[in-house]
Amino acid sequence: QVQLQESGPGLVKPSETLSLTCTVSGVSISSSSWSWIRQPPGKGLEWIGRLYYSKSTNYNPSLNSRVAISVDTSKNQFSLKLSSVTAADTAVYFCARDGYFDIWGRGTQVTVSS
Amino acid sequence: DIVMTQSPDSLAVSLGERTTINCKSSQTVLNNANNKNYLAWYQQKPGQPPRLLIYWASSRESGVPDRFSGSGSGTDFTLTISSLQADDVAVYYCQQYYTIPRTFGQGTRVEIK
Repeated sequence: QVQLQESGPGLVKPSETLSLTCTVSGVSISSSSWSWIRQPPGKGLEWIGRLYYSKSTNYNPSLNSRVAISVDTSKNQFSLKLSSVTAADTAVYFCARDGYFDIWGRGTQVTVSS
Repeated sequence: DIVMTQSPDSLAVSLGERTTINCKSSQTVLNNANNKNYLAWYQQKPGQPPRLLIYWASSRESGVPDRFSGSGSGTDFTLTISSLQADDVAVYYCQQYYTIPRTFGQGTRVEIK
């Protein structure tokens, strides 16, 4: 059974870098593509970017210059870094298996505030 | 980017009634090479991640009740709930996975009348 679990700080200061990790269990992280998706409070879903079979990455152009996704295959984890955050980056952040998103983590709330 | 537009934004339906949600994409999501529409539907309840209901526009995910069905092709798609149950109160999203960036509709809130 494939499961995903997000982890990371729940509070980030403005202008700093948000860092989250998604731990994949039940399958090798190299066997699929994996995405980060976020949802601001009371709003819809926004795709942030993906790790493609541990080989490459794609990002949403709206965030491209601030986003980086990386992988640690030894830990079966992939990570998100979002730099220069503002209050607009406050959201629940989800990781999910890419394509049609059939498997999701529970999500982690990240608040940007001083 | 492919823009996904859902209609309506919200609707209130009586228990047992049929519910229809529409989704229109700004470009086709039909791959003519394999004749598949790269379109998915999700249900999201408060405090939960979205749940995949439908993929390839009309394939029902395992465990999803058969009152949920998807149809359409190209740029116009529909999610139908044949007989609304109390447990179906949620926000529903369509999503295209034809191209990068992945994009979602703005969501449709379904409530009980």
